[in-house]
Amino acid sequence: DGGITQSPKYLFRKEGQNVTLSCEQNLNHDAMYWYRQDPGQGLRLIYYSQIVNDFQKGDIAEGYSVSREKKESFPLTVTSAQKNPTAFYLCASSIVPEPKNQPQHFGDGTRLSIL
Amino acid sequence: EDKVVQSPLSLVVHEGDTVTLNCSYEVTNFRSLLWYKQEKKAPTFLFMLTSSGIEKKSGRLSSILDKKELFSILNITATQTGDSAVYLCAVEARGSQGNLIFGKGTKLSVKP
Repeated sequence: DGGITQSPKYLFRKEGQNVTLSCEQNLNHDAMYWYRQDPGQGLRLIYYSQIVNDFQKGDIAEGYSVSREKKESFPLTVTSAQKNPTAFYLCASSIVPEPKNQPQHFGDGTRLSIL
Repeated sequence: EDKVVQSPLSLVVHEGDTVTLNCSYEVTNFRSLLWYKQEKKAPTFLFMLTSSGIEKKSGRLSSILDKKELFSILNITATQTGDSAVYLCAVEARGSQGNLIFGKGTKLSVKP
């Protein structure tokens, strides 16, 4: 079945540690996105990528890094510089939006907590 | 600054009730408005609206956009317990490379 797979579902980070969240899609989508969701808040964009080997910062990129070496994969690293990483992280993908107008589809998320 | 405001933030109804969820927005160069349903994990896509006054319908759910007054509503008729979820509204601007601006969501609880 086509879809977006995020792993792990739950992740714990120690102080000063970098952790990497995986996002893989087999929908042949060009664009991929990372969002952060805090309780009672909407989704906020961390990074996005329209094509392989290219990505841009979203609204809250500080303390995060990404790579896009393959079309199917868009891993997110939460670095030790991110002082408040506890949140629910969602990955999404879509067909390149311009000029087409297609919705983003989401993975099941990774819940990250501080130890 | 672009923003999306949803109301109410939470709502409790009984099965069989009809509910209306609201989404107002301020965005430069509007392109589309989207509704998603989020239960425990992944938001699932409901509707994409680009034109004013054209109702989109899927079963008991329907939605309409007013580009003059800058808002959209999501209606759910004959609610069921399975409709309990957070409903997210998001707006896309032209030239934003598909980036969405999300509201905080409306948490709907349907009691049996």
